[in-house]
Amino acid sequence: DTAVSQTPKYLVTQMGNDKSIKCEQNLGHDTMYWYKQDSKKFLKIMFSYNNKELIINETVPNRFSPKSPDKAHLNLHINSLELGDSAVYFCASSQVVAGGPYNEQFFGPGTRLTVL
Amino acid sequence: AQSVSQHNHHVILSEAASLELGCNYSYGGTVNLFWYVQYPGQHLQLLLKYFSGDPLVKGIKGFEAEFIKSKFSFNLRKPSVQWSDTAEYFCAVNGIRLQAQLWSRITSIKAAGNKLTFGGGTRVLVKP
Repeated sequence: DTAVSQTPKYLVTQMGNDKSIKCEQNLGHDTMYWYKQDSKKFLKIMFSYNNKELIINETVPNRFSPKSPDKAHLNLHINSLELGDSAVYFCASSQVVAGGPYNEQFFGPGTRLTVL
Repeated sequence: AQSVSQHNHHVILSEAASLELGCNYSYGGTVNLFWYVQYPGQHLQLLLKYFSGDPLVKGIKGFEAEFIKSKFSFNLRKPSVQWSDTAEYFCAVNGIRLQAQLWSRITSIKAAGNKLTFGGGTRVLVKP
């Protein structure tokens, strides 16, 4: 009954490869996010989707392309992987309440990506 | 733009000691404030949150935080730590903004306003 799940948990790959990370939430939330946590533990948002619509797109290279087939899924595809892409990628979800406070975001377990 | 700074990068203390972690944010409007904890090898979990009302917020595991609007601060406290409190602690801010030209896109405003900005984290090590 995991709320936000990500696969894979670990991903080790060579530079130049293309890889995908999948995220699923079973909380019925309408908004999903991707965050990147670097080696110094600094967390930064990358993307946000609300009802399958891209809402937040921070300064992220074009090699990163999120895809949301439905409200419960937000996948992250990365082309031409580079050494600097090595990080832990966290998926999160929340329910954005109309006119009210913004609810907490629930995080997945993270995917540790290592680019060799 | 909103930003968050956490003053201490590393804190080492003994069990039963009191803990206070500083968090200051930079944003001119209404904010929602959060403290998340990340135990070794685990994902982020919410400790507590502030939206409105009583500025002293109580969270899980004996943690509390106080929102001081005049100081743009949201410091986290725990009177007596345990070894199991060893973790990385993140303060986060969600600045609520309204853009007049986007009134017709309420969904975009809501979702765009839900962007969390995190501080750099504070690593806490509690010695048994």
